[in-house]
Amino acid sequence: GAVVSQHPSRVICKSGTSVKIECRSLDFQATTMFWYRQFPKKSLMLMATSNEGSKATYEQGVEKDKFLINHASLTLSTLTVTSAHPEDSSFYICSAGGEPYSNQPQHFGDGTRLSIL
Amino acid sequence: KQEVTQIPAALSVPEGENLVLNCSFTDSAIYNLQWFRQDPGKGLTSLLLIQSSQREQTSGRLNASLDKSSGRSTLYIAASQPGDSATYLCAVGAQKLVFGQGTRLTINP
Repeated sequence: GAVVSQHPSRVICKSGTSVKIECRSLDFQATTMFWYRQFPKKSLMLMATSNEGSKATYEQGVEKDKFLINHASLTLSTLTVTSAHPEDSSFYICSAGGEPYSNQPQHFGDGTRLSIL
Repeated sequence: KQEVTQIPAALSVPEGENLVLNCSFTDSAIYNLQWFRQDPGKGLTSLLLIQSSQREQTSGRLNASLDKSSGRSTLYIAASQPGDSATYLCAVGAQKLVFGQGTRLTINP
């Protein structure tokens, strides 16, 4: 079964709306989670690292005020797309797990397809 | 900066064939290399993980190899089936992953 749960799976909303996406680790505690973005027929691009109890670390070019990340517990990280516009439409995926020099893979959620009208 | 490239971008083969997907990376200082499967509109399913100290991993009909010195990995799929149709992504890193653009595989019945 899934070890990382992401919700909602699909969102359609009007321009200017803020949208919150949840990512939960189900079977383990995750001090670190990751948020990726995927454009159609493109690969995944890391947006930010979500750190439990502290500020997220954003990749270059990602607007931290546009994509708010909160990691308030060891099993939940949220990504809020603030004042979303059509160019924010994309597929957003979170992941958790995996440690350097370990044989534990990263586990991914099923993704959230965000469509801004 | 690590860059990951996958060739071919798309592949279509008849059912039953054995096939190889290729992945190359520019920086050989990697922790792990992972192969994923992505079905249309879905998230990622981890297929195989190869640690930097390993050279290959096998799971059922899948075999992944890793050659760090040449910056290459291959995913071998034996006796392909229509259900294997999906996009296959390779990624390097431990937690922060750098992905290739994927190979879209179609197995024709």
